[in-house]
Amino acid sequence: EDQVTQSPEALRLQEGESSSLNCSYTVSGLRGLFWYRQDPGKGPEFLFTLYSAGEEKEKERLKATLTKKESFLHITAPKPEDSATYLCAVQTTTDSWGKLQFGAGTQVVVTP
Amino acid sequence: EAGVTQFPSHSVIEKGQTVTLRCDPISGHDNLYWYRRVMGKEIKFLLHFVKESKQDESGMPNNRFLAERTGGTYSTLKVQPAELEDSGVYFCASSQQGYYGYTFGSGTRLTVV
Repeated sequence: EDQVTQSPEALRLQEGESSSLNCSYTVSGLRGLFWYRQDPGKGPEFLFTLYSAGEEKEKERLKATLTKKESFLHITAPKPEDSATYLCAVQTTTDSWGKLQFGAGTQVVVTP
Repeated sequence: EAGVTQFPSHSVIEKGQTVTLRCDPISGHDNLYWYRRVMGKEIKFLLHFVKESKQDESGMPNNRFLAERTGGTYSTLKVQPAELEDSGVYFCASSQQGYYGYTFGSGTRLTVV
């Protein structure tokens, strides 16, 4: 059975204190791994897609990396506006095109 | 460009009643998806439309849930009759072709009492 596990569940950071979020996955075949950001009362907002091990994507203070078993979302020198829940999702080769399986998310709070 | 619009934003209904959720995708997006998040759980796939056709409805929990997409535009998700375990946040998303980072709506929070 496919599994997507995110850790930690919650993370509290001081402004400027860099950290990493983990998304480990066990799937029959990976078509793509996606990172989303979700603010309270809003829907998930797309950040990155990674397709193969070794791939990296960057956007402002965020950098996502992918290995054969896990993905990391690195937050460099975070600011309070980076506070959100970060969601990881996978698209597998056995699922229909477009179907995503989500992890439970990591809630990040960045304090000034 | 207008985003994905969902309404109502909140709905509180009694067990046994019927509720209809609506989603207006981004104009021109052929792909429309429904997901939901029940309390304490991860977001789960419900179904996927391509235009007006159901591409994949493997995530629909049971036959109390009925999704339609009229003329390939807006979609409705009807729950009839609603049960307590149907409470959660229902998200709709749309994309232009296949999957390439689709856009989510803000969701409908459904509470069944």
